[in-house]
Amino acid sequence: GAVVSQHPSWVICKSGTSVKIECRSLDFQATTMFWYRQFPKQSLMLMATSNEGSKATYEQGVEKDKFLINHASLTLSTLTVTSAHPEDSSFYICSAESFHGRPYTDTQYFGPGTRLTVL
Amino acid sequence: EDKVVQSPLSLVVHEGDTVTLNCSYEVTNFRSLLWYKQEKKAPTFLFMLTSSGIEKKSGRLSSILDKKELSSILNITATQTGDSAIYLCGSASNSGYALNFGKGTSLLVTP
Repeated sequence: GAVVSQHPSWVICKSGTSVKIECRSLDFQATTMFWYRQFPKQSLMLMATSNEGSKATYEQGVEKDKFLINHASLTLSTLTVTSAHPEDSSFYICSAESFHGRPYTDTQYFGPGTRLTVL
Repeated sequence: EDKVVQSPLSLVVHEGDTVTLNCSYEVTNFRSLLWYKQEKKAPTFLFMLTSSGIEKKSGRLSSILDKKELSSILNITATQTGDSAIYLCGSASNSGYALNFGKGTSLLVTP
């Protein structure tokens, strides 16, 4: 149980285009999903917290107009990198909190990640 | 500001060795500490620790939390080459949902 998928797993795009990454919880409902970014040989950096039906909460230094997050249902969150540039090339990983009831359960399950390369 | 520090950053051992990975944390309103293993792709969950002194075990892996010392260790006994990975430690607080990760320990197990 607690499987999270991401699509696509790998994308190459031209500079200036927008890229959408989907994150789905396959066998559970996730009211909260998280988007992370990881550079080579570095740890996960939290970009934003995505709550179903409301606006995402962005971490300091993350441009919300550049990284658009939509969490339209309990099983789907999307991250759109708008007007992508080479410096946006990175590994983007989402995670979802397994909803076993409140208060928080803490156990996050990660998607397989999306490798974005912007030329 | 909440902080998670892992040590060592990198470790190379021979197959069969036992390793101990360390994680220390400074977290306001601490709730739990989690360990993940990351190979080529996204992290996979290993343990969640909330209570001090209670060891969690899964096969050759075990972990324990020391709330007095604000630290946790992850032990791997009889290491195998398949244990080669980055091991991440993350903390959760009652102040919010997200986990705060350390930089990870890169473990390489050689044959």
